[in-house]
Amino acid sequence: DVVLTQTPSILSATIGQSVSISCRSSQSLLDSDGNTYLYWFLQRPGQSPQRLIYLVSNLGSGVPNRFSGSGSGTDFTLKISGVEAEDLGVYYCMQATHAPWTFGGGTKLELK
Amino acid sequence: EVQLVETGGSLVQPGKSLKLTCATSGFTFSNAWMHWVRQSPEKQLEWVAQIKAKSNNYATYYAESVKGRFTISRDDSKSSVYLQMNSLKEEDTAIYYCTRNNYFDYWGQGVMVTVSS
Repeated sequence: DVVLTQTPSILSATIGQSVSISCRSSQSLLDSDGNTYLYWFLQRPGQSPQRLIYLVSNLGSGVPNRFSGSGSGTDFTLKISGVEAEDLGVYYCMQATHAPWTFGGGTKLELK
Repeated sequence: EVQLVETGGSLVQPGKSLKLTCATSGFTFSNAWMHWVRQSPEKQLEWVAQIKAKSNNYATYYAESVKGRFTISRDDSKSSVYLQMNSLKEEDTAIYYCTRNNYFDYWGQGVMVTVSS
């Protein structure tokens, strides 16, 4: 199975600070169809995961543009340009290129 | 508005069975591929199962950890997807979510399954 390693596991930030989360895959996530099925989700306390980014860099509907995704192959990054209070929670990356689909271990974003 | 609502969670003993339901609305369910994903008490997310549409012969896929014990199915007339869980183990304890395959854009609120004697 593909292993996704997220760093850091805990991220402390102040409101307005820009932060980045890394997701490294044990193998390339480039599919034979040319797509890279790498996603980012935010799970706020007591809620289900909410999709933020799909196909590495596409912003989900209704997701603020302070969120951005980048990367290719095995290395991917989620950036938040100016953290807001509503961004606090746990961020997960997920791959759906290689079955079974797998998730990273999560990055908890908390207030400093 | 797209909605996915899971029901059927419970406390069950090891070795017993349980069936989860995910009722959907707000989209053309019959064309959708659907998934079940679970989250352990340690907060790790794990993909569990997928079912494709009628046009794909309702093909199903499972995680190795549940293969042979869990069965995913659907009823397009009810816009619902199901997860039949047999021979439950304590490690199946988790919150179970359904989500649709449209780049995993919508998730249900989740339902708790606790397997304990």
